[in-house]
Order: sequence, then C-alpha cells, then structure tokens
Amino acid sequence: GQQLNQSPQSMFIQEGEDVSMNCTSSSIFNTWLWYKQDPGEGPVLLIALYKAGELTSNGRLTAQFGITRKDSFLNISASIPSDVGIYFCAGRDSGSARQLTFGSGTQLTVLP
Amino acid sequence: EAGVVQSPRYKIIEKKQPVAFWCNPISGHNTLYWYRQNLGQGPELLIRYENEEAVDDSQLPKDRFSAERLKGVDSTLKIQPAELGDSAVYLCASSYRTDNSPLHFGNGTRLTVT
Repeated sequence: GQQLNQSPQSMFIQEGEDVSMNCTSSSIFNTWLWYKQDPGEGPVLLIALYKAGELTSNGRLTAQFGITRKDSFLNISASIPSDVGIYFCAGRDSGSARQLTFGSGTQLTVLP
Repeated sequence: EAGVVQSPRYKIIEKKQPVAFWCNPISGHNTLYWYRQNLGQGPELLIRYENEEAVDDSQLPKDRFSAERLKGVDSTLKIQPAELGDSAVYLCASSYRTDNSPLHFGNGTRLTVT
C-alpha cells in the first residue's frame, strides 16, 4: 500500500523562527493536504494542493506540491505560540480507490 | 456551516463490551469516512461511504467492527466485543463526492478499553 514519510517527527523552535516540514510518498499523488491537530480535537485543514508545482499560501503558511507528485512541504513563517500542535500531511492517489493516506505527523513546539 | 458532529466525546468500557460511535457529517457531503487514530500516529481509514454505500471497507476488522449509514446521512460505527487494542481516537470525516474534495473532520471519540 501507499506509504508516507513525514519529517521531522518533532521540532522545537523559538518564537519568531521559520519552520519547514515535508512529506514524501512511495506513489504518485494527485492531491496533497496539510492539517493541524490540537489536543482533543480533530485535524483541521490548513492548505489543499491539487497540481504538481502548485505553491499555495494561507497567512503565514505556505505549502508546495512537488514536481514529481511524490512530495510536499509546509513552511510556517514567524512562528507564534498558537502554532503549537501536530501537523499532518495527507495525500490522495490517482487510482480508483481515492484513498487519503496520512503521514505520522510533526509535533511542533514553539518556545517563548 | 455546522461542522462534523461526533458523539460521545469520550467512552470508557471494559474489554468484551460493545460500544457505538455516532457521526453527523456536514450537510450536503455525500462521502463519509471513519478513521482510527492511535496515539502518536496519523489517522488510518477504516471505512468510506458514498451516500449509503460502503465503497471501501478493506481496512475494517469485520470480525468485530461494523458500520452503517442507512439513509446516507449520519452514520454509526460499532465494536463488539471491544479489545484492549481498540483503545484509540475514532474520527469521522466528510467531503463532497469529488476527487479533489478535502476532508473535514469531527473532534473524534476517545475510546479507552480497560
């Protein structure tokens, strides 16, 4: 089946710093989604990407759909304390199953 | 618009007991998903419905898990009997029935089996 490798597993950064995380897959995806999950809540959609090479921003967040269609990254600029949480990438393949596969998450901690 | 609603938020049961989770998707969303999320991991798909039809249940442990979406709107997921390893967060999500439609998640039900 599909496998998603998300890295890093965890990050500790100072408030105000930029952060980058990425996902790579073993198969080609036609959709990449980035979610954030706070404790006790469900994942919340941050950015959706639908075309290879697409670069999309949402406030201080920027994500890109890799040219090979097997990777994606998420950047957060000028981090603030409320950025703390777990960030998940998710990809949907181009086959008939349309299954959405999730990475294992990046735990982000922002230090004051 | 109202989001995906799940209940209960928490459930603690003893092993071998039955348990059921309920989900009401976003109005107009044809596709409904049940995911299981173990601690420190991403969500894993259990079953996907298109309206009332289960179109992908390949990851559902059918010996003890069952799900239904009889009228193509809300859905229930049942475990009978529960095992210790079933302790996890059970997430429901919904989307429009298009290939690129993103999933919107509920807040989940945290199940603890003792």
